[in-house]
Amino acid sequence: GAVVSQHPSRVICKSGTSVKIECRSLDFQATTMFWYRQFPKQSLMLMATSNEGSKATYEQGVEKDKFLINHASLTLSTLTVTSAHPEDSSFYICSAREFGTGTYEQYFGPGTRLTVT
Amino acid sequence: GENVEQHPSTLSVQEGDSAVIKCTYSDSASNYFPWYKQELGKGPQLIIDIRSNVGEKKDQRIAVTLNKTAKHFSLHITETQPEDSAVYFCAASTQGGSEKLVFGKGTKLTVNP
Repeated sequence: GAVVSQHPSRVICKSGTSVKIECRSLDFQATTMFWYRQFPKQSLMLMATSNEGSKATYEQGVEKDKFLINHASLTLSTLTVTSAHPEDSSFYICSAREFGTGTYEQYFGPGTRLTVT
Repeated sequence: GENVEQHPSTLSVQEGDSAVIKCTYSDSASNYFPWYKQELGKGPQLIIDIRSNVGEKKDQRIAVTLNKTAKHFSLHITETQPEDSAVYFCAASTQGGSEKLVFGKGTKLTVNP
């Protein structure tokens, strides 16, 4: 149980275009999903917290107009990188917390490798 | 805000030996401390966690200890195997508060056969 998927696993796009990444909880409902960014050989940095049906909360220094987050249902959150640039190339990982269980665990997706050329 | 320090950054052991990774945190309100294993190109996988009302937790070859007074917690892996080789991250969060995980910088563990 508690499986989180991400799509796509890898994406290459040209500078100036937008890319959408999906995060799905496959066998549970997630009221809260988190989006992280990880550069090579570095730790995970939280970008934003998304709650189903409400606006995402962004961490300091993360541009909300550049990284659009939509948590439209209890099983799906999307991250759209708008007007991508090479410096946005990174490993993007989502996580999800299960609704209503009172547990603390966050279950992570397998990540999406974004390369902007 | 919370700050988590993790040591060592790299650790190399022989198969069968034990490995210990240590983390310290700064926010006394933190009450949940998970450990994650991340293999190359994959997302983090929760391997064990501990809450602040518990001092130690064990799951087969893996154990975690927590010292709230000193604000540090440690991961212990016994009888290491080559498949334990990965990057391990500790994290801390305040459940009932912001609930955001703050990660340490990671430890690259290499288990030599």
